[in-house]
Amino acid sequence: EADIYQTPRYLVIGTGKKITLECSQTMGHDKMYWYQQDPGMELHLIHYSYGVNSTEKGDLSSESTVSRIRTEHFPLTLESARPSHTSQYLCASSEYPVDALYEQYFGPGTRLTVT
Amino acid sequence: KNQVEQSPQSLIILEGKNCTLQCNYTVSPFSNLRWYKQDTGRGPVSLTIMTFSENTKSNGRYTATLDADTKQSSLHITASQLSDSASYICVVILWMDSSYKLIFGSGTRLLVRP
Repeated sequence: EADIYQTPRYLVIGTGKKITLECSQTMGHDKMYWYQQDPGMELHLIHYSYGVNSTEKGDLSSESTVSRIRTEHFPLTLESARPSHTSQYLCASSEYPVDALYEQYFGPGTRLTVT
Repeated sequence: KNQVEQSPQSLIILEGKNCTLQCNYTVSPFSNLRWYKQDTGRGPVSLTIMTFSENTKSNGRYTATLDADTKQSSLHITASQLSDSASYICVVILWMDSSYKLIFGSGTRLLVRP
């Protein structure tokens, strides 16, 4: 069982609000990732981090930002939420980069609805 | 263009029956291929990981096969159970732009009925 947590699990918020999605893991993994997944569609990488003070943008352009000031914590922030941000956001972590045959563990996800 | 296509898009089977899910990819150069199970409203959980040199990998009632020549993989589920109802996602890892990238398929949604 993976020890990776996301809060909130569900969030309904109005346009223009600032939101932060929390992700934390207790496995001591250096590598952490944020994915965006629309219903019935594939996951797309939007941010990743290979360690403290390291963040990079993923393959899918996103208006969100991330920070990594502690190994176990990788929050995602939207400064001004819009309806186009409505989606499921999944956080993941791994001990090694995904090229090695090691697991990438996913959190349960946050389902965000912007009205 | 690097793509991962899965079929069927959705599938309904009766409890106890077997089924096979397909994954075709056009990804190159290929590093490894993974199958994940994603329950509704949850994150994906890894079922199998295979390199290009492996052509079969089992995890309980789940058996994945890989044909690197034809760029096809399949996931076979034996004696299905109600708890197998989920989306099954094929993911291919490739080396691109000096880093490894994950290319996700859109999944096959499986419903197991009593």
